[in-house]
Amino acid sequence: QTVVTQEPSVTVSPGGTVTLTCASNTGAVTSGSSANWFQQKPGQVPRSLIWLTTNKHSWTPARFSGSLVGDKAALTLSGVRPEDEADYYCLLYSGGAWVFGGGTRVTVL
Amino acid sequence: QVQLVESGGGVVQPGRSLRLSCAASGFTFNTYGMHWVRQAPGKGLEWVAIISYDGSKTYYTDSVKGRFTISRDNSDNTLHLQMNSLRAEDTAVYYCAKDPLKFGYSFGHGLDYWGQGTPVAVSS
Repeated sequence: QTVVTQEPSVTVSPGGTVTLTCASNTGAVTSGSSANWFQQKPGQVPRSLIWLTTNKHSWTPARFSGSLVGDKAALTLSGVRPEDEADYYCLLYSGGAWVFGGGTRVTVL
Repeated sequence: QVQLVESGGGVVQPGRSLRLSCAASGFTFNTYGMHWVRQAPGKGLEWVAIISYDGSKTYYTDSVKGRFTISRDNSDNTLHLQMNSLRAEDTAVYYCAKDPLKFGYSFGHGLDYWGQGTPVAVSS
């Protein structure tokens, strides 16, 4: 049973940069894990940000970027804005199924 | 524009069945894999199932294997989730979502567009 782990919460100042990570208990996250990232604000439908580790959707703001850092997938928010305050979820493919991480709550303060 | 509209949610007793549907429009439905994702009240997201663009391959999370069946009707652009032997822990908002890659691998590449969700409550 794959377990995907994210930081429970992070706080960032407006204009700052923060990197969220996504790890798997089965080993290193690779391009084959096909990492996706999503943003969800309270009471709203999740919004897709990144797919296949680094690919942005047409609506994804330029300040969001995806990568692999060490043995984890990462989402970097640069030039953070107050409206980026939300929960962020990663999604990994592992052994015939997709698994979401528990989410990271990002507070902009 | 892409639209995904779920329906079929409601309140159901434990052990009973429910069938969810997702009406798709604004894209060539029969060329994209489709997913179901759920979110229990106050909890995180949980991936449920995926079906390949042609309906030939399906994959499920362990907790629903043998109880839920994902299917699609490419003739009327509709995705379904048949949920049997429902349990209290299946209570959630159920979202359908589209895979980003046309004619992609059967296990998919992730999610791009989401529907608004349909709530399911399993309670006696």
